[in-house]
Amino acid sequence: GAGVSQSPSNKVTEKGKDVELRCDPISGHTALYWYRQSLGQGLEFLIYFQGNSAPDKSGLPSDRFSAERTGGSVSTLTIQRTQQEDSAVYLCASSRGYLNEQFFGPGTRLTVL
Amino acid sequence: GIQVEQSPPDLILQEGANSTLRCNFSDSVNNLQWFHQNPWGQLINLFYIPSGTKQNGRLSATTVATERYSLLYISSSQTTDSGVYFCAAAGNTPLVFGKGTRLSVIA
Repeated sequence: GAGVSQSPSNKVTEKGKDVELRCDPISGHTALYWYRQSLGQGLEFLIYFQGNSAPDKSGLPSDRFSAERTGGSVSTLTIQRTQQEDSAVYLCASSRGYLNEQFFGPGTRLTVL
Repeated sequence: GIQVEQSPPDLILQEGANSTLRCNFSDSVNNLQWFHQNPWGQLINLFYIPSGTKQNGRLSATTVATERYSLLYISSSQTTDSGVYFCAAAGNTPLVFGKGTRLSVIA
């Protein structure tokens, strides 16, 4: 079956602009996660959605970052007023339930000029 | 929160050699996964192994939860095995990743 998909695959933006990154999880997976991978910080958790529960936002680095998940499926990660330190690969993952095996998408490489 | 440490950080092997990668974690886990990150950045699932032993072809993994470590074995390595291997663990929080082991297999 189809895996996790993300779009766009690459995004180049100017400092101060807003960006939206999209994630389509595996069908039937109730849990969805966002991570980012950067040279200095490795792979770090950002935010997690499980069913209709309130998301766990404990990993978001600042209030410029937000995410939503519509209809329990597609998720959008929004970064407002981008900064150069936001440059990273943003990875989305999904799982059947919380703490089950997670499967990752190919990522969106964000470059902030 | 949980801490995850991987060793060695770098490993160079001759094709055909065997290797063992180690992952230590600081607390009890409900999820432990091994991934291979290919040169294009895709994280490929190798094992979901919060405890016990699993094998898949030339790869196998063992997690000893009571002693808080997991091992990934690669036998008869091939150049296509090159890349970064990540261990990630979760207690009651989302996955925490180690810094990875960068493996280079030379023909």
